[in-house]
Amino acid sequence: DSGVTQTPKHLITATGQRVTLRCSPRSGDLSVYWYQQSLDQGLQFLIQYYNGEERAKGNILERFSAQQFPDLHSELNLSSLELGDSALYFCASSARSGGYEQYFGPGTRLTVT
Amino acid sequence: SQQGEEDPQALSIQEGENATMNCSYKTSINNLQWYRQNSGRGLVHLILIRSNEREKHSGRLRVTLDTSKKSSSLLITASRAADTASYFCATGGGADGLTFGKGTHLIIQP
Repeated sequence: DSGVTQTPKHLITATGQRVTLRCSPRSGDLSVYWYQQSLDQGLQFLIQYYNGEERAKGNILERFSAQQFPDLHSELNLSSLELGDSALYFCASSARSGGYEQYFGPGTRLTVT
Repeated sequence: SQQGEEDPQALSIQEGENATMNCSYKTSINNLQWYRQNSGRGLVHLILIRSNEREKHSGRLRVTLDTSKKSSSLLITASRAADTASYFCATGGGADGLTFGKGTHLIIQP
């Protein structure tokens, strides 16, 4: 158990809808990262937050947004969902920002129908 | 885009044998990490090797890094059925998050 929790485990929704994925980092970790894993794109970095502030952006679509709250949990919002958004979404946390091992949650499997 | 590329894509060996996976990357790095992923589950950090290190050990794992060739290898000795998983190398983790390769799928035959 990495200490990182993600909810929900599975999500099935229709195209055009909006969903929110939630992540709680390991106790004491200030950095939260979001990743998407799909068969065709592999594992891709989406966005990073550090102590409530956005720190880095990767291949995140404009339809996606995230935030980190004062209690350090983070939410990833996906809107106007398309079939191609079906994927595993992972949250990871680390103690600091940059260059250190990351601890991954179990993921949320999103299926868009 | 993928920074690291693992080789082979898939590897099947008998329990007790050693498994070697390779990773090549494109740009200069500060460190390189290896992660394991059991089917459809979260990634587990295995080991981090810094750019000024050439070799690192952790239990049955041995990682080497050759910055001149921009390559790394992961050796798992005395493999067990529980080692069946996908293994990814990753670089970065700084301003751009981690960049993963496509992974090596390792199957340990009993």
